[in-house]
Amino acid sequence: NAGVTQTPKFRVLKTGQSMTLLCAQDMNHEYMYWYRQDPGMGLRLIHYSVGEGTTAKGEVPDGYNVSRLKKQNFLLGLESAAPSQTSVYFCASSTYSGSGYGQYFGPGTRLTVT
Amino acid sequence: QQPVQSPQAVILREGEDAVINCSSSKALYSVHWYRQKHGEAPVFLMILLKGGEQKGHEKISASFNEKKQQSSLYLTASQLSYSGTYFCGTEKVGSSNTGKLIFGQGTTLQVKP
Repeated sequence: NAGVTQTPKFRVLKTGQSMTLLCAQDMNHEYMYWYRQDPGMGLRLIHYSVGEGTTAKGEVPDGYNVSRLKKQNFLLGLESAAPSQTSVYFCASSTYSGSGYGQYFGPGTRLTVT
Repeated sequence: QQPVQSPQAVILREGEDAVINCSSSKALYSVHWYRQKHGEAPVFLMILLKGGEQKGHEKISASFNEKKQQSSLYLTASQLSYSGTYFCGTEKVGSSNTGKLIFGQGTTLQVKP
C-alpha cells in the first residue's frame, strides 16, 4: 500500500496563476482533509470531506476550492494564487476519529508563490 | 480557539523524561497526538477519546482530563529518535462526526546524546 500520496512535491507559481494539488489514498478511507502548515502556526485545516461527493470548509478556506469526485482522490485548487498562499500543503485521510483512529498524512507539497 | 501547547521547546539528554501539555478552551471529544520530523509529514501517535482510558505507545503515553479540557503527553527514557515537533490536535464536542481537528502550535523536542 502506498498510503497517502500527493502530486506535485514542489511547485513555484507566479501571482495570479492557478493550479491543482492532487491527493490520493489507497486505504479506503471515508474522510479526507487538506491542511496548510506555516512556520510557527501549526497545521490549519483548509477544507475537508466526509465522503465521496461531499466537501466542507475548514478554518482557512478563502482562496481555495476542493472536489471529491472519487472516494480515493481529493483535489485542492488555487484559482488565482497569492504570495500569502506560499506554504507547505498536507493532505490526510482517516476513518472517523471517533472510532479511535488517527489521520494519515501525505508527504506534502511545498508551494511558493512569487 | 487553537489549543495551547507548553512548553514551546524542550532539550533533553537521552534517558530523560519529558511532559508536553495541551490545553483547550472548548469542550473536547478527542485529543490526537502527532510527531513531525523536520521536512517530513506528521505521524499519528495516539488518540484519546472522551470517556476513554489513558493510552500508551512504547515508552510514550498520554492522558486526557475532560473536565479541564487538557491532555498531556509523557515521554519516558527518551531516545534520539524521539526528536521532532509534537502537535496535539483537538476535536470539539459537537463536531458532528467530521473528525475536524484544530492543532496546537507545536512543541519542539530535541534529544541529545
